[in-house]
Order: sequence, then C-alpha cells, then structure tokens
Amino acid sequence: GAVVSQHPSWVICKSGTSVKIECRSLDFQATTMFWYRQFPKQSLMLMATSNEGSKATYEQGVEKDKFLINHASLTLSTLTVTSAHPEDSSFYICSARRRGYEQYFGPGTRLTVT
Amino acid sequence: GENVEQHPSTLSVQEGDSAVIKCTYSDSASNYFPWYKQELGKRPQLIIDIRSNVGEKKDQRIAVTLNKTAKHFSLHITETQPEDSAVYFCAASKDPGGGGNKLTFGTGTQLKVEL
Repeated sequence: GAVVSQHPSWVICKSGTSVKIECRSLDFQATTMFWYRQFPKQSLMLMATSNEGSKATYEQGVEKDKFLINHASLTLSTLTVTSAHPEDSSFYICSARRRGYEQYFGPGTRLTVT
Repeated sequence: GENVEQHPSTLSVQEGDSAVIKCTYSDSASNYFPWYKQELGKRPQLIIDIRSNVGEKKDQRIAVTLNKTAKHFSLHITETQPEDSAVYFCAASKDPGGGGNKLTFGTGTQLKVEL
C-alpha cells in the first residue's frame, strides 16, 4: 500500500511554455501533499505544501505565480510550471501523506526546458 | 526555520565494513528523524526513522541513534554491500502524527561500497 505516482516521468518543453505535473496517491487519501525540487547532486528542497481544498503554502523564495499548485482532491495534486525557463530544468518530486503516517514519495518528473 | 547539516558528503568503504553518516539539526522542537536512500534518478526510499522518545533503533544491518541534547543523529550501516551504494539523506520534522508537517533534508551523503 501507500503508492504515489507522478505523470509524466519526464518532459521536455520549450522556453516560455507551461507544463503540468500530476501527483496521485493511488491507494490512500492524502491529507497533505508536498512538492520538492532537486537539482543534480543536490538535496531535496521543499517548494510548497498543499492541503486538499485549500491554497498551497509556498516556501520562501518560491514564486507562487510561477509554480501553480492545485490540490483538487484527496488523491490528486498538480504542479504547473508557467513560462518555463532553462533554469527551471530539474527533478520535481511530490510526496503525499495521511495523518499519522510518514510521507510517501512519487517517482519524480524530470523536466528539461530548452 | 529548521536547518539540517549532514556529513560527510562522500563516503567510500570496503565491502563488509561499516559506514556512519552524521546529521545535526537546529530546531529543538523537531521530533521525527527519517533517513532516506536515493538511487540515481529514483525516488527517495525511507530506510529507517526515529522519534525523539527513543535514543536508538535498529533494523537488521541499519541502525539510527539520536542525541536530543546535542541535537544530532546518526545512521549506521554494518556489513556494507555493493547494493548499499547510493545517496543517503537525513531529514527532520515536527511530529509526523499531525498533518502538514514538512521535512527539512540534509545535504546528502554519496556512499560508495567498493569490492
């Protein structure tokens, strides 16, 4: 149990376009979902925390108008990178948790902006 | 906010030897300390965790110790095997029992187990 999926697993987009990444908890209802960004050979940096039905809480330095997060249901959260630039190229990982349990991570999405 | 430091950044050991990775945290309110193993291009996998009400926890070849007073915790891997080679991250959080508690990750340790 406690499976989290992400789609797509990798995506290439052109500079200036937007890309949406989905994160789903497949066999449990997630009270909270988290979005992380990981640059090569670096740690996971939390971007934002989202609770179902409420606005996401962004970490300091993360532009909320650039990284749009929607947590429409207890099993789905989406991250939209708007007006992507090459410096947004990274590994984006979501995690989901239910009350009383640890975070379960998705497999990640490799974003390359050309 | 919480700050987690991790050392060493790289660690090379011979197969069968032990490996120790150390982390310190800054927020005395943190009470949940998981360790993750991440292989290249894959998701982090929880390998062991410890809560602040215990000082040590062991699971086969892996153990974690916690010193709340000094605010540091360590991962110990015994009898290392080549498949233990990966990047290991420590993390800290306040109370996983509640909702919406974020993890602060350490900088990671690249462990290489050589034959």
